[in-house]
Amino acid sequence: AQSVTQLDSQVPVFEEAPVELRCNYSSSVSVYLFWYVQYPNQGLQLLLKYLSGSTLVKGINGFEAEFNKSQTSFHLRKPSVHISDTAEYFCAVRGFSSGGSEKLVFGKGTKLTVNP
Amino acid sequence: DTGVSQNPRHKITKRGQNVTFRCDPISEHNRLYWYRQTLGQGPEFLTYFQNEAQLEKSRLLSDRFSAERPKGSFSTLEIQRTEQGDSAMYLCASSLGVGQYFGPGTRLTVT
Repeated sequence: AQSVTQLDSQVPVFEEAPVELRCNYSSSVSVYLFWYVQYPNQGLQLLLKYLSGSTLVKGINGFEAEFNKSQTSFHLRKPSVHISDTAEYFCAVRGFSSGGSEKLVFGKGTKLTVNP
Repeated sequence: DTGVSQNPRHKITKRGQNVTFRCDPISEHNRLYWYRQTLGQGPEFLTYFQNEAQLEKSRLLSDRFSAERPKGSFSTLEIQRTEQGDSAMYLCASSLGVGQYFGPGTRLTVT
């Protein structure tokens, strides 16, 4: 089974400041990792995913994330945020093994608020 | 490319009534997933289909819940005898590979 912990429920930052949203996971098998963004009253939009290969993954809207297997982390970063980045961000994990489940397991989310 | 669509977007129903939601996946996506999201929480997996076969169901999916994907295209999720605890956002996602692409959700309010 997999689980995800998003360490901060709320992160306030000023516009143009850098931001890091933290995510730790646990799993007994190898994993795929994802970050999604959810704007109010909308569904989830895939920001980026880690499947294999380079541990630094670049996504849409200037976001990137780094997979750290030894620390079981997948933190999301952006060097300079905009007001429009205000939203809720979800980290998710999926285990992969032969015949294994395809379900995503999500964290509880981090609400990012960008202030002018 | 049309994304995942869900209907209705909002549903208000009285306790004890039955409700049905529809999800239309991205065309040619063979996998379809249902999740439920309550306020302040991340989405929780309910069930998923590969083509028309329902391959996995969560323990969250009580016997009042049933999902179908009869022709391997759209899917329906029915809740019978709704309870106030069923109030949530019901999200549908589809995929062809590993990444899942979500629809806008159906918000259910049970009064």
